[in-house]
Amino acid sequence: AQSVTQLDSQVPVFEEAPVELRCNYSSSVSVYLFWYVQYPNQGLQLLLKYLSGSTLVKSINGFEAEFNKSQTSFHLRKPSVHISDTAEYFCAVSGPQTYSSASKIIFGSGTRLSIRP
Amino acid sequence: EAGVTQFPSHSVIEKGQTVTLRCDPISGHDNLYWYRRVMGKEIKFLLHFVKESKQDESGMPNNRFLAERTGGTYSTLKVQPAELEDSGVYFCASSQDYSGLGTDTQYFGPGTRLTVL
Repeated sequence: AQSVTQLDSQVPVFEEAPVELRCNYSSSVSVYLFWYVQYPNQGLQLLLKYLSGSTLVKSINGFEAEFNKSQTSFHLRKPSVHISDTAEYFCAVSGPQTYSSASKIIFGSGTRLSIRP
Repeated sequence: EAGVTQFPSHSVIEKGQTVTLRCDPISGHDNLYWYRRVMGKEIKFLLHFVKESKQDESGMPNNRFLAERTGGTYSTLKVQPAELEDSGVYFCASSQDYSGLGTDTQYFGPGTRLTVL
């Protein structure tokens, strides 16, 4: 069975500081990896995803994540955060388990990123 | 283009009552998913429709939950009778392509917050 672990439930950082949100997954088969973000009072939005190819994937707002198969990790990083990055971030996986359930997304428990001015 | 919409945004009911949640997917999306986040825990998959057919309902917690998608457009999720542990945020998502591999991007609605007293 697949599972996702987000070790940090909350991460406070100062504005313009770098941040890393950690994510580890467990799976006996190949997976696809996602980061979703939920801004206050909004729905979940896809931030970035890894399907195949280059292990480093980037979002349009400066976040990046690197797929590390040997460490089964997909940590999310940003070199300089802004107040507007305040949100809850979810790491997630999907992938071939059985044909009927390949599309379901398995989420981690979320990390609340709070930015201090 | 309108995103995924959910109604109501909030619902407060008493234990034993019935509640029906509605999801309108993005127009043209054949795939519709329901997820649930119980307070402080991870977001969990409930079920997946392809058009009007249930592709995967492995996450439905028990027979008090009934999901329908008549005509392959909007979907309803009924909880009858509601219990205290059903409280949480119910998310709906939709996607366009179904490769069966788990690679399609799912677009999420804002969620319905259900409180059972």
